[in-house]
Amino acid sequence: AQTVTQSQPEMSVQEAETVTLSCTYDTSENNYYLFWYKQPPSRQMILVIRQEAYKQQNATENRFSVNFQKAAKSFSLKISDSQLGDTAMYFCAFMKQGSGTYKYIFGTGTRLKVLA
Amino acid sequence: SAVISQKPSRDICQRGTSLTIQCQVDSQVTMMFWYRQQPGQSLTLIATANQGSEATYESGFVIDKFPISRPNLTFSTLTVSNMSPEDSSIYLCSVEVAAGYEQYFGPGTRLTVT
Repeated sequence: AQTVTQSQPEMSVQEAETVTLSCTYDTSENNYYLFWYKQPPSRQMILVIRQEAYKQQNATENRFSVNFQKAAKSFSLKISDSQLGDTAMYFCAFMKQGSGTYKYIFGTGTRLKVLA
Repeated sequence: SAVISQKPSRDICQRGTSLTIQCQVDSQVTMMFWYRQQPGQSLTLIATANQGSEATYESGFVIDKFPISRPNLTFSTLTVSNMSPEDSSIYLCSVEVAAGYEQYFGPGTRLTVT
C-alpha cells in the first residue's frame, strides 16, 4: 500500500525568504501523480502544484516549485519570496495512475507560518 | 477547474440525530469524493461517489452510518447518521477533473455533535 510522509509538522519562514517543505512516499508503482495542496486557516483547500511521475522536469507555478526525485521517492515543495498569504497547512498527496479510482493518499500535513 | 459549494457550512447537532450535507458543483463531473478532516489534521477518505452506481466506501466507513446519494453529475449528499460526539469533524466533498487528475475541494461542513 502506498504511504505519504511529511516529516515537518510545523515550519516558519520570514517574509520574502525561501522555504522547502518535504514529502516522501512509498510505492511500487511506476506511473502516478503527486500534488501539493494548500489549506489556509478556515479556508478552502486549493491545488498548488502537480507533478506527473513520468516527467523528469520539475513542475513550477510562479513562486512554487518542486524537487521531484523519483528514485528517492521524494517530492519537496519550494516556496520562494514567501508572502504572508502563504501561511497555511500544506498537504502532499499521491494518486496512482490507471487504478480507475483516482483516490488520493494524503500526508499528515505541514503547518507553515510566514512571519512579518 | 470547478466551483464547489457545500451546505450547511456548519451545524451543531444532538447525539442520535442525522445530518445531510449537500455538495453542488458548477459543472458535470464523473467522480465525487467525501472526506473527513479533524481540525488541523489530514484528510481521510470516506467514500467515492460515481453517478449511477453505488458509492464505494473505504475501510472503517459503512453505508449504514454514511449513506451517500449521487442523483446526477453535479450533486451529491452525505448523511451522517445516528451521530455521536466522535463524528464531530469537518466534512469535505471534492471532485476529480479528469484532464489532470486534480481534485477540487468544497469549503467544508463543520459538524459539532453534542
